[in-house]
Amino acid sequence: DTEVTQTPKHLVMGMTNKKSLKCEQHMGHRAMYWYKQKAKKPPELMFVYSYEKLSINESVPSRFSPECPNSSLLNLHLHALQPEDSALYLCASSQAAGSSFNEQFFGPGTRLTVL
Amino acid sequence: DAKTTQPPSMDCAEGRAANLPCNHSTISGNEYVYWYRQIHSQGPQYIIHGLKNNETNEMASLIITEDRKSSTLILPHATLRDTAVYYCIVRVLGSGGFKTIFGAGTRLFVKA
Repeated sequence: DTEVTQTPKHLVMGMTNKKSLKCEQHMGHRAMYWYKQKAKKPPELMFVYSYEKLSINESVPSRFSPECPNSSLLNLHLHALQPEDSALYLCASSQAAGSSFNEQFFGPGTRLTVL
Repeated sequence: DAKTTQPPSMDCAEGRAANLPCNHSTISGNEYVYWYRQIHSQGPQYIIHGLKNNETNEMASLIITEDRKSSTLILPHATLRDTAVYYCIVRVLGSGGFKTIFGAGTRLFVKA
């Protein structure tokens, strides 16, 4: 199984809602990533988890809260988002974050709309 | 900031080779060059990577110059399904470790 799955595919939420994005992989990878992608722009790194510990936070606002409950799962909890947070949220995984070779496997993304 | 520069767009005729250039003049001696592509509204897909030698797999070939300051991704027989944004990536070392930073990429249009 070389797949990264993300749920939901689409999410519409209001600015006062709390929601979560979920990402799962069963490749035995120990590094997992969240990226944000606005229309016609490249993906932007948000968070990196290595061995279930947060290793990189790219100065992401606290209204985005990542969680890695185990080595196969990665969540992104959303609260009090703004309309400008509407984007495609991509999850990825790789064998290890610190290795010299780092092929990342990406999920299909969750398209988030904040009203 | 991304450590690579690529042309914003390129056209290629179907069945012909697509040659996508990338400059990475600040690459360090032990960093790999990675290529990914992103077809519209899908997640990026790994294509190929290389360190010093040229590489080939079932999708593409990667030619890296001897000084490692640039590389070219070659799709030998482009098809309409190869229309996508192609990203050349060299990881950036930050305080928390290596980071994959996407540049603007090259939008490849394959035309019939």
